Amino acid sequence: NAGVTQTPKFQVLKTGQSMTLQCAQDMNHNSMYWYRQDPGMGLRLIYYSASEGTTDKGEVPNGYNVSRLNKREFSLRLESAAPSQTSVYFCASRGAGTEAFFGQGTRLTVV
Amino acid sequence: RKEVEQDPGPFNVPEGATVAFNCTYSNSASQSFFWYRQDCRKEPKLLMSVYSSGNEDGRFTAQLNRASQYISLLIRDSKLSDSATYLCVALRIAAGNKLTFGGGTRVLVKP
Repeated sequence: NAGVTQTPKFQVLKTGQSMTLQCAQDMNHNSMYWYRQDPGMGLRLIYYSASEGTTDKGEVPNGYNVSRLNKREFSLRLESAAPSQTSVYFCASRGAGTEAFFGQGTRLTVV
Repeated sequence: RKEVEQDPGPFNVPEGATVAFNCTYSNSASQSFFWYRQDCRKEPKLLMSVYSSGNEDGRFTAQLNRASQYISLLIRDSKLSDSATYLCVALRIAAGNKLTFGGGTRVLVKP
């Protein structure tokens, strides 16, 4: 039972570099989410997707793009990383009437 | 104004005591609510859903007050293992299943 799988688990980027965070779920959930969590703070919603082919902006979308590739996968892209994007990134998925399940997180440092 | 707000704490609780804290939400269209638990910035995990009539799960009791737009969590007979951050979550189905987290309330149970 893999649940929600995020890759990579850790990443160090230089300012200006780009990268894509991958997320995949095997629970046949329609909804998927990307959050970031900074020290001492809760989870802030970056983007979310209610179903394949749809995406919506959350609270802090600037500097990010997403792709809902299919029902299983929801990727988050940083086109030009900035130190302010240093954070822990969590992906989650949710089915109708169920709780949200989270991946183990990606710890990203931008230097 | 944030959509979901919590007192960050910490709530320092003697072992065996009762602690309660609230979470307020600003959007009356929020339909469902949850309490999640997070340990040391690991992935959040569902503690309990919150039902309109209030619900109990062992030592944990959750209440929803739609008129005043807040939910509460009460922990009885606190254990050392209850030390964690408790995250309040609001779901808006009409907004594409948007899941919004509060900033979290930190609880420290001490011997």
